[in-house]
Amino acid sequence: KNEVEQSPQNLTAQEGEFITINCSYSVGISALHWLQQHPGGGIVSLFMLSSGKKKHGRLIATINIQEKHSSLHITASHPRDSAVYICAVRGGGRGDMRFGAGTRLTVKP
Amino acid sequence: DVKVTQSSRYLVKRTGEKVFLECVQDMDHENMFWYRQDPGLGLRLIYFSYDVKMKEKGDIPEGYSVSREKKERFSLILESASTNQTSMYLCASSYVSGGQSLETQYFGPGTRLLVL
Repeated sequence: KNEVEQSPQNLTAQEGEFITINCSYSVGISALHWLQQHPGGGIVSLFMLSSGKKKHGRLIATINIQEKHSSLHITASHPRDSAVYICAVRGGGRGDMRFGAGTRLTVKP
Repeated sequence: DVKVTQSSRYLVKRTGEKVFLECVQDMDHENMFWYRQDPGLGLRLIYFSYDVKMKEKGDIPEGYSVSREKKERFSLILESASTNQTSMYLCASSYVSGGQSLETQYFGPGTRLLVL
């Protein structure tokens, strides 16, 4: 079993829909990251969370430390949101980052 | 803006060849990382470096080596490429802010390597 599990693996939505991507982890963490990877391959960091909730535009990320669970929400989804969304958790060591396999989101116009 | 560049976007090599992948960052970051990304497996850490000439093995170092002679440059070397090293290779760098535990990594565009 992976230390970081994401669901769903693939998600197709119609433009305007509210989207939720889930991440569960089984290790102790100091922070959790949500990353976005576009078809060209480049990865950008969307959020870094250690507690509570963060919002940036139409994106909202939440984390429940006790339940070891995080969600990424996209409100009013748009085709340009189509990408792979990756959850990553940070342990205590320098190189200690564990990644989920990613959720491939396709938003249709 | 932080910029992390990788020497090639696509690379085709033959089994047994020595392969060099280079990564350069322009923000004076202490930490640099090499990952490989395979479908269904997520990113896996090959090696990382927290200072010039310093390196530590990640989860899958076998068949790879690294070099960091200058702070801005981190090279990944495949001594004798094999077909199971066909993958997407991603470099990342990060600075330390408020303690290591909260560092954000900045990724390069990736190199898609095909070993025939």
